[in-house]
Amino acid sequence: AQSVTQPDIHITVSEGASLELRCNYSYGATPYLFWYVQSPGQGLQLLLKYFSGDTLVQGIKGFEAEFKRSQSSFNLRKPSVHWSDAAEYFCAVGRNSGNTPLVFGKGTRLSVIA
Amino acid sequence: GAVVSQHPSRVICKSGTSVKIECRSLDFQATTMFWYRQFPKKSLMLMATSNEGSKATYEQGVEKDKFLINHASLTLSTLTVTSAHPEDSSFYICSARDFRGGQHEQFFGPGTRLTVL
Repeated sequence: AQSVTQPDIHITVSEGASLELRCNYSYGATPYLFWYVQSPGQGLQLLLKYFSGDTLVQGIKGFEAEFKRSQSSFNLRKPSVHWSDAAEYFCAVGRNSGNTPLVFGKGTRLSVIA
Repeated sequence: GAVVSQHPSRVICKSGTSVKIECRSLDFQATTMFWYRQFPKKSLMLMATSNEGSKATYEQGVEKDKFLINHASLTLSTLTVTSAHPEDSSFYICSARDFRGGQHEQFFGPGTRLTVL
């Protein structure tokens, strides 16, 4: 069965510091991988996605993620965190099939301190 | 990217009443829509897959008579929470799959906050 693991429930970083959020997946086929961000009381915003090709993908707000098939990972990174990045981050996996929904990880809450 | 809207964004109702939530794909046709539920500080849990013109497929543990889903057109799916109770209070998010361009990306609505008193 498909599953997504985000090992870190909560991470706190200082503003300006680098960030890496971990995501591991279990999937029987070639996965499509996504990172979403959610601010309190808001919907999901897509940060970036990987379908195929270059394994390092760039997203919005200065985020990037690297797909590593050998490690079944799709970690999210940002070189310098801003206070406005504080939010909940969700990794999700899916496939190119009409009726297959995305499967989400449990999320990682990011706090940013001065 | 494609746009998915939800209405209402927030609803408060009395226990025992029914509430209907609409999910629309604004600039594309969606043969498949998904309904998720999110509890506070929790992840999104898939409730059901809604297919245009056919019955929805519910996930295990989701009461289909409690959460009625109708997908009558290619741009509209509705979720009706029947005889709502306080434990149904949650954040409900719909999404629709856009098949254009060969990449079947799933787009999410802004969510509906349901509070049952």
